[in-house]
Amino acid sequence: AQKITQTQPGMFVQEKEAVTLDCTYDTSDPSYGLFWYKQPSSGEMIFLIYQGSYDQQNATEGRYSLNFQKARKSANLVISASQLGDSAMYFCAMREYGSNYQLIWGAGTKLIIKP
Amino acid sequence: DTEVTQTPKHLVMGMTNKKSLKCEQHMGHRAMYWYKQKAKKPPELMFVYSYEKLSINESVPSRFSPECPNSSLLNLHLHALQPEDSALYLCASSQVGEQFFGPGTRLTVL
Repeated sequence: AQKITQTQPGMFVQEKEAVTLDCTYDTSDPSYGLFWYKQPSSGEMIFLIYQGSYDQQNATEGRYSLNFQKARKSANLVISASQLGDSAMYFCAMREYGSNYQLIWGAGTKLIIKP
Repeated sequence: DTEVTQTPKHLVMGMTNKKSLKCEQHMGHRAMYWYKQKAKKPPELMFVYSYEKLSINESVPSRFSPECPNSSLLNLHLHALQPEDSALYLCASSQVGEQFFGPGTRLTVL
């Protein structure tokens, strides 16, 4: 069974609009972490934001925020005021703390920002 | 210094060649990783060096072999590769939190 599901293969968004990228996960481990990464066409995988399973507040990093709904097992990434440079592939990933630091990856969402 | 460096950036090799990919980090991280990534797919974990112990993805063929000369270096030795091994190879490191990735090596096997 898939542990990380990203249901949006691709999205087109107008510049300056907010974007929500969906991610749902499945785990029976009470201790886990959720990550979002951005991968531009250049190939480098860029860490954006992290949410721990015990964190009481949603994580935020600049224009990025993570909408963490633990009961629904969702960890959506919200990008406020999108910019052309946000066009990239976005991956959601999870680490279960019994897993020797290994990440489980979603299939990714290709985001294109239109001018 | 929060950087992971990888060399070379691009590599073209024949199926009979032997080559190596290099990865270095100076963040004092105790875990380092090699990933293979095909276009439009998520990365696939190949190897993990964590606290001087190697973990291997059992599906990785023996024509790939990792080497960890010290805690800041992780090499990937390539021998007798196949065209289907053409991909982006990413190195990453971590302590207990997020993994930091290098820029990757784009490998083409002819």
